[in-house]
Amino acid sequence: EDKVVQSPLSLVVHEGDTVTLNCSYEVTNFRSLLWYKQEKKAPTFLFMLTSSGIEKKSGRLSSILDKKELFSILNITATQTGDSAIYLCAVVRSGNQFYFGTGTSLTVIP
Amino acid sequence: EAQVTQNPRYLITVTGKKLTVTCSQNMNHEYMSWYRQDPGLGLRQIYYSMNVEVTDKGDVPEGYKVSRKEKRNFPLILESPSPNQTSLYFCASSIIPLGYGYTFGSGTRLTVV
Repeated sequence: EDKVVQSPLSLVVHEGDTVTLNCSYEVTNFRSLLWYKQEKKAPTFLFMLTSSGIEKKSGRLSSILDKKELFSILNITATQTGDSAIYLCAVVRSGNQFYFGTGTSLTVIP
Repeated sequence: EAQVTQNPRYLITVTGKKLTVTCSQNMNHEYMSWYRQDPGLGLRQIYYSMNVEVTDKGDVPEGYKVSRKEKRNFPLILESPSPNQTSLYFCASSIIPLGYGYTFGSGTRLTVV
């Protein structure tokens, strides 16, 4: 059965800390892996990863995919209170289905 | 502005009373999908559509119907809502090929009493 598992489920850190969020997957016919950030509303797109070992970077956020070990990580450096959100990982398979993980809830305290 | 518009944002209804949640996108996206989001279960796909008149079941289609008569619209229909359909619903659209990311609507919080 196809599945996407995120860890940890929840995380509380202080401003300035660096966090690493994990996403492992077992999905047949993998096409891409996506990261989203969800605050109190709709998820917003962060990254799309299709190739192993190529880091995607946007400001303090970065992500990388390992297609051999079937996982991805999302790193956030120098965290700010505005980074508090649920971070969702989704895997797209051929056949045009998305599989979302349950998300990691990140709380950044001042 | 490119967007996905869902209506209503909030809805409280009674068991068995048919309802429709509308979804419209202005980006000419071929692919549209409905999700429900429940605590501890994440986003689960209800139905999706690759194009006009083409719809397919997702992971949790029971109790829902959809239609895609026009490219821009993808309504979600609950013929006889039940309390276990109380949830937060998101409509989303994307270009094809997929993987370039969804654009999500703002969500509809449905409560069935």
